Amino acid sequence: AQSVTQPDIHITVSEGASLELRCNYSYGATPYLFWYVQSPGQGLQLLLKYFSGDTLVQGIKGFEAEFKRSQSSFNLRKPSVHWSDAAEYFCAVGPPGNRGYQKVTFGTGTKLQVIP
Amino acid sequence: EPEVTQTPSHQVTQMGQEVILRCVPISNHLYFYWYRQILGQKVEFLVSFYNNEISEKSEIFDDQFSVERPDGSNFTLKIRSTKLEDSAMYFCASSDPGRNSGNTIYFGEGSWLTVV
Repeated sequence: AQSVTQPDIHITVSEGASLELRCNYSYGATPYLFWYVQSPGQGLQLLLKYFSGDTLVQGIKGFEAEFKRSQSSFNLRKPSVHWSDAAEYFCAVGPPGNRGYQKVTFGTGTKLQVIP
Repeated sequence: EPEVTQTPSHQVTQMGQEVILRCVPISNHLYFYWYRQILGQKVEFLVSFYNNEISEKSEIFDDQFSVERPDGSNFTLKIRSTKLEDSAMYFCASSDPGRNSGNTIYFGEGSWLTVV
C-alpha cells in the first residue's frame, strides 16, 4: 500500500532563512507527487506537482521540490522564507497515468513556524 | 483560475442530526472526491465519484455517509445521523485528465463540521 512520510512534525525557521521540508514515499511505481499548503482555517492549496521529466519542479510562492527516485523522496525547498509562509505543508502521492483519477494519499503534514 | 467551492464554511449540528455538505466542482471536471481532516490529524480519503456512481470508498465511508450529484453542477456529502467523531473539516475536490489540468486534484476551502 502507498504511504507518505513527513518526518518533521514541526519546523521553526527565521524569516529570510532557507527551508527544506522532507517527504518520503512508498509506492509500487513512481507516483505522481504533490505538495499542498494549508494556512490556518483555510483549504488546501497546490504548491507544485511532479508527474515526469525534469526532477526539479518549480511551484508558486517561490517554492521548488526535487524528486529523487533513488531515495523515494520529494523534498520541498525555498531559498528565503517569508513570515507569510507560516502554514502546514502536506506532501501527497497519487496514482500515475493519464486517466485523470487522482486519489491522493497525504502525509501527516509539517507545521512551519517563521520567527522574526 | 477555476476553483472548487464549498458550502457551508462552518456548520454546528447536534448529534444524531442529518447534515448535507455541498460542493461545486470545477465545471469541466469528471472525478469528484470527499476527504476529511479531523483536527490535528492528516487528510484522509473518504470517497470518489465518477459517471454518477461511487468509484472508490474508504472504510471510513460507512452506511451513514452518502454522496450525490443532484444536478449538473453540485456534488453533496450527506451524513445521516452525525456522531461526535464526525467533527472534522471536510474537503471536496475534483480532477480531470484534460490537458490543462493534467491529472491534478484541486481542493475546495473546506467545510468545518462541529457535532455537539
